[in-house]
Amino acid sequence: QVQLQESGPGLVKPSQTLSLTCTVSGGSISSGSYYWSWIRQPAGKGLEWIGRIYTSGSTNYNPSLKSRVTISVDTSKNQFSLKLSSVTAADTAVYYCARDSSGWDHDYWGQGTLVTVSS
Amino acid sequence: QSALTQPPSASGSPGQSVTISCTGTSSDVGGYNYVSWYQQHPGKAPKLMIYEVSKRPSGVPDRFSGSKSGNTASLTVSGLQAEDEADYYCSSYAGSPLYVFGTGTKVTVL
Repeated sequence: QVQLQESGPGLVKPSQTLSLTCTVSGGSISSGSYYWSWIRQPAGKGLEWIGRIYTSGSTNYNPSLKSRVTISVDTSKNQFSLKLSSVTAADTAVYYCARDSSGWDHDYWGQGTLVTVSS
Repeated sequence: QSALTQPPSASGSPGQSVTISCTGTSSDVGGYNYVSWYQQHPGKAPKLMIYEVSKRPSGVPDRFSGSKSGNTASLTVSGLQAEDEADYYCSSYAGSPLYVFGTGTKVTVL
């Protein structure tokens, strides 16, 4: 059973860079034809897809965030990461990592981690 | 790309059925058979309930069913149970961005 776990600072100052890591267990991040996504959810609001990465390093980003987002992968650690630069209060949200099944859905999710942007 | 439109709330008594709509455009819901539905309990991660419009992942009860007509997809929960009370989100492949999600529907079991 695949499991995902987000980790990283829960508080980030405005204008700084948000950095999160997702650790995948229960299987190799490189096995199968899967992409690995980041999705966020502001409190009381809906879900927003941020971007995804394949283990080759190929990425797709949401155009609304593309200028500020970098997603990377470390197959040796079975991890993938998110960096979001120049954050503002509007970036405060629960951030989820998830497996993109390549069937255009997300079949496994991490528990989510709250990131608050505040000075 | 705007979020897909869902009703804010829906409700039903135990044993009844409830149907949630998800309206998009020909660029997302109407253009592809890649609509999925997620159940989210408070403080928990979303859980995939339906994929490719009407397919159920292993372990999801057959009380959950999905369909699509034109630019609108629907999720029906039959035989409502107390544990079905949750928020439900639809999602569709949309090209750019790759995925759009719905606005979410809170289902209440009366």
